[in-house]
Amino acid sequence: DAKTTQPPSMDCAEGRAANLPCNHSTISGNEYVYWYRQIHSQGPQYIIHGLKNNETNEMASLIITEDRKSSTLILPHATLRDTAVYYCIVFIYNQGGKLIFGQGTELSVKP
Amino acid sequence: DADVTQTPRNRITKTGKRIMLECSQTKGHDRMYWYRQDPGLGLRLIYYSFDVKDINKGEISDGYSVSRQAQAKFSLSLESAIPNQTALYFCATSRQGYTEAFFGQGTRLTVV
Repeated sequence: DAKTTQPPSMDCAEGRAANLPCNHSTISGNEYVYWYRQIHSQGPQYIIHGLKNNETNEMASLIITEDRKSSTLILPHATLRDTAVYYCIVFIYNQGGKLIFGQGTELSVKP
Repeated sequence: DADVTQTPRNRITKTGKRIMLECSQTKGHDRMYWYRQDPGLGLRLIYYSFDVKDINKGEISDGYSVSRQAQAKFSLSLESAIPNQTALYFCATSRQGYTEAFFGQGTRLTVV
């Protein structure tokens, strides 16, 4: 199984970009990188996903290195409401598409 | 109305009791999942179902059972609840393929 490694916590100033790193050095060619976040004890919320190319949507950008061994989630202008736990997940499609969560990064956005 | 609805939202039960947590979805998705989350930890997969006739064990299925009554309904049962099953439980749904999963708001279960 491809595993992910994330820093347990990070701080970011409000209005600045938040860059959340994720290592997935054992990722295989058909595995996607997904990002979810969980605010307080709410259900996790999908943010973005990608395979090889960088991706951007209304919430964030995802930068995947060329060798696909790591990625960075970028929240371009963090707000206090972005304070949450962010999970980087490798989608294990050949095991039937189960989302397996790690420990995540607790992002604190400070005024 | 929420796309993925979990009932009850909060429940306190006694050790040894049987309890059922219910999940229903209006997304029309074929895949459904049950996760548990302990304080300060990530989510762990209990069971998952890819269609009505398909049930699979996840990472931590011991002490739990599930029933997929219909495409839209997936129930989790604790046959004989024990205190270390006190946790926050989430139901999720997704479509087949590389798509996002949608989570319910969670059920906070306390076993005393």
